[in-house]
Amino acid sequence: EIVLTQSPATMSLSPGERATLSCRASQSVSSYLAWYQQKPGQAPRLLIYDASNRATGIPARFSGSGSGTDFTLTISSLEPEDFAVYYCQQRSNWPYMYTFGQGTKVEIK
Amino acid sequence: EVQLVESGGGLVQPGGSLRLSCAASGFTFSRYSMNWVRQVPGKGLEWVSYISGRSSGDINYANSVKGRFTISRDNAKNSLYLQMNSLRAEDTAVYYCARNYYYDTPGSDYWGQGTLVTVSS
Repeated sequence: EIVLTQSPATMSLSPGERATLSCRASQSVSSYLAWYQQKPGQAPRLLIYDASNRATGIPARFSGSGSGTDFTLTISSLEPEDFAVYYCQQRSNWPYMYTFGQGTKVEIK
Repeated sequence: EVQLVESGGGLVQPGGSLRLSCAASGFTFSRYSMNWVRQVPGKGLEWVSYISGRSSGDINYANSVKGRFTISRDNAKNSLYLQMNSLRAEDTAVYYCARNYYYDTPGSDYWGQGTLVTVSS
């Protein structure tokens, strides 16, 4: 089973700063990786799919990169509404398993 | 408007069973693969199960629920199901149904509001 490890667990930043979140897979997942944002009391919101493609309606300040085992979500300039928990998710080869990382909390400094 | 509405959660004793439903609307249900994802309140997301678009489609489960949970769908009724048997305390969570955005690549663009399952005596 592929394990996703996100780092850091928590990052404290100020609005306007750049956030760089990491997701590392225990084995190659090619580009089968997605990123989500979740706020308290809400369902997750899809940000990025296929490692680097923004989902519909996602602002350009969110970008994804990487392939194989190392992936990055970058928020170029934090807006107040971006403080939340972020998860990565991968899909293995068949039989499909869509495991999540443990999450990174982006909090206001 | 795309909507996913879960139902069927509640309190159940250890060893008991529960069937969750997810009613889909606003899109061609049969064209999308679907997932169940759960989340213990205050904790991270855990993928539970996947089913492809076809009613007799491809299916898989997380190791933690394999052999106890069964996913199914009825495309005529635009509905997704999760039959949960032999429930354990560690199955307590909010259960979400979620639509895959693009074929079977990871990334669910629509989620339900979640239904809480509590396994306790």
